[in-house]
Amino acid sequence: GAVVSQHPSRVICKSGTSVKIECRSLDFQATTMFWYRQFPKQSLMLMATSNEGSKATYEQGVEKDKFLINHASLTLSTLTVTSAHPEDSSFYICSANRGASENTEAFFGQGTRLTVV
Amino acid sequence: GIQVEQSPPDLILQEGANSTLRCNFSDSVNNLQWFHQNPWGQLINLFYIPSGTKQNGRLSATTVATERYSLLYISSSQTTDSGVYFCAVPYLMRFGAGTRLTVKP
Repeated sequence: GAVVSQHPSRVICKSGTSVKIECRSLDFQATTMFWYRQFPKQSLMLMATSNEGSKATYEQGVEKDKFLINHASLTLSTLTVTSAHPEDSSFYICSANRGASENTEAFFGQGTRLTVV
Repeated sequence: GIQVEQSPPDLILQEGANSTLRCNFSDSVNNLQWFHQNPWGQLINLFYIPSGTKQNGRLSATTVATERYSLLYISSSQTTDSGVYFCAVPYLMRFGAGTRLTVKP
């Protein structure tokens, strides 16, 4: 199956600092990638859709200035959590969809567990 | 938008038992995926199954698109099957709430 790589898998940072998470599709090109947040024992919550070469589309309630998304190439999207606070601590997961439109198949990165102290 | 509901929310099995997980969706969908989230958080693709039946080892899945549901069968369960199973409509980014499976030795 297709491979999506997410890095880092774990990060601990101090309040007020920024953290960058990378998501790479290793064996296919992805014009669109997705970023999710997952709270303990809950399902995945879509945060934003990352579009190659254009601005990301954010879900309602997600702060654009807090969660900066850049999709600079067809294989790389980054999520930067700016001025992190303890409430930003969570599990963040990216996905890239292979195929077009309704025939698309989603592949997920390994996830990043962020702890803000 | 389409609602995706999974049942049961929690399931505890003894090793070796069989189980069926269900995914209902509120409207017609053109494809569906099943995932297993292991204890480390990794989401593993199990099946891409818009319709019909597929099998992979001890796991199989059936989607009946006309009746808006999909089933995931786990036979002869093992402790490594523990985790959360999600169904999702990938082109809509809609996930069910998941079924948390615990397989006891």
